[in-house]
Amino acid sequence: QKEVEQNSGPLSVPEGAIASLNCTYSDRGSQSFFWYRQYSGKSPELIMFIYSNGDKEDGRFTAQLNKASQYVSLLIRDSQPSDSATYLCAVNNQAGTALIFGKGTTLSVSS
Amino acid sequence: DGGITQSPKYLFRKEGQNVTLSCEQNLNHDAMYWYRQDPGQGLRLIYYSQIVNDFQKGDIAEGYSVSREKKESFPLTVTSAQKNPTAFYLCASSIGTGFPYEQYFGPGTRLTVT
Repeated sequence: QKEVEQNSGPLSVPEGAIASLNCTYSDRGSQSFFWYRQYSGKSPELIMFIYSNGDKEDGRFTAQLNKASQYVSLLIRDSQPSDSATYLCAVNNQAGTALIFGKGTTLSVSS
Repeated sequence: DGGITQSPKYLFRKEGQNVTLSCEQNLNHDAMYWYRQDPGQGLRLIYYSQIVNDFQKGDIAEGYSVSREKKESFPLTVTSAQKNPTAFYLCASSIGTGFPYEQYFGPGTRLTVT
């Protein structure tokens, strides 16, 4: 069974700090990687996707991918209390027909 | 106003009853998916459909059934054979399947079976 692993947290950071969320995956054939944000009681919202090694930046968010280490991360700069949520990492399955999700990391940003 | 709609938002049923959850999208996406989420857990794939009149089982299809008669619609039936049906059910869609198509989610249906 292919797996996606995340530290469940909670990860607590003060307002204005950088939050670093990490994810490892087991399938070396995975090609696309996604980060979703899920507020309590709500559905997941796509915030970033990446499929090439290196960094991809979008506003305060940076996704980092290292396929050799099978590691993908999400950095949130200038963290805000509104960033407090669960962040789900997802990776495509080998057939490319669906996503495999991690259990998520809960982020808490204190003001 | 494009998006994915799911109804109802909350659903309560007695054990032994079948129940159908609605999912509609107007994004013109070919692929649609059903996931289940339990407290503190990640999303688990129930069924997916890449094209009209075709669908495939996901990791936890037992006790569920689907249909895909229209591109816009992908209803999920939770049957009485599903042993632990109480969960948060999420429908998603994407332009197609395969890399690198991202999936977008509807608001979800929270099902409680007693």
